[in-house]
Amino acid sequence: EAEVAQSPRYKITEKSQAVAFWCDPISGHATLYWYRQILGQGPELLVQFQDESVVDDSQLPKDRFSAERLKGVDSTLKIQPAELGDSAMYLCASSSPPTSGPYEQYFGPGTRLTVT
Amino acid sequence: LAKTTQPISMDSYEGQEVNITCSHNNIATNDYITWYQQFPSQGPRFIIQGYKTKVTNEVASLFIPADRKSSTLSLPRVSLSDTAVYYCLVAGNNRKLIWGLGTSLAVNP
Repeated sequence: EAEVAQSPRYKITEKSQAVAFWCDPISGHATLYWYRQILGQGPELLVQFQDESVVDDSQLPKDRFSAERLKGVDSTLKIQPAELGDSAMYLCASSSPPTSGPYEQYFGPGTRLTVT
Repeated sequence: LAKTTQPISMDSYEGQEVNITCSHNNIATNDYITWYQQFPSQGPRFIIQGYKTKVTNEVASLFIPADRKSSTLSLPRVSLSDTAVYYCLVAGNNRKLIWGLGTSLAVNP
């Protein structure tokens, strides 16, 4: 079964440093999502791509976060500089158009970020 | 955006049927109801989705009354491996999913 790949699985960084996460969606999935999930809470959408275009980045802290999906396939999420409050699980998901209803999203294993 | 309300936590025992109810009073005409399951340190996994009445698949059933203001996820004969957080989401086509706190289900031996 095809899966969403993410790396690294775990990342520890010091505050003010830069950090980057990578995601490779399921082949053929045009829509890619980056979520942030704080322990004990549900995922929060940071950015959504349709192919290489951003369709929703309303919750992305643009002063320090950036995301790109240059060729409409894999994607990178960057934080610079990292802050203590950025410690969370960063999840990537992808989807393809369903026959009806909202897109079923397939999630990767996530990257656990700890900022010290 | 439709807001959902579901219990924060539930306890059950192996072999029992578990029903998790979600309230969504302001659901829109074109909204679907979707449930995801999440294990610790993993991404959420799609369980089931429905628009009205009853939907059943190999792992769960989803019951939606005629007014669609609530829905119930039914897990038959749960096992220890069903211990997870279950999220109820309401959204229409191309609308983003708004995730709440979910229901933390603990299945005891």
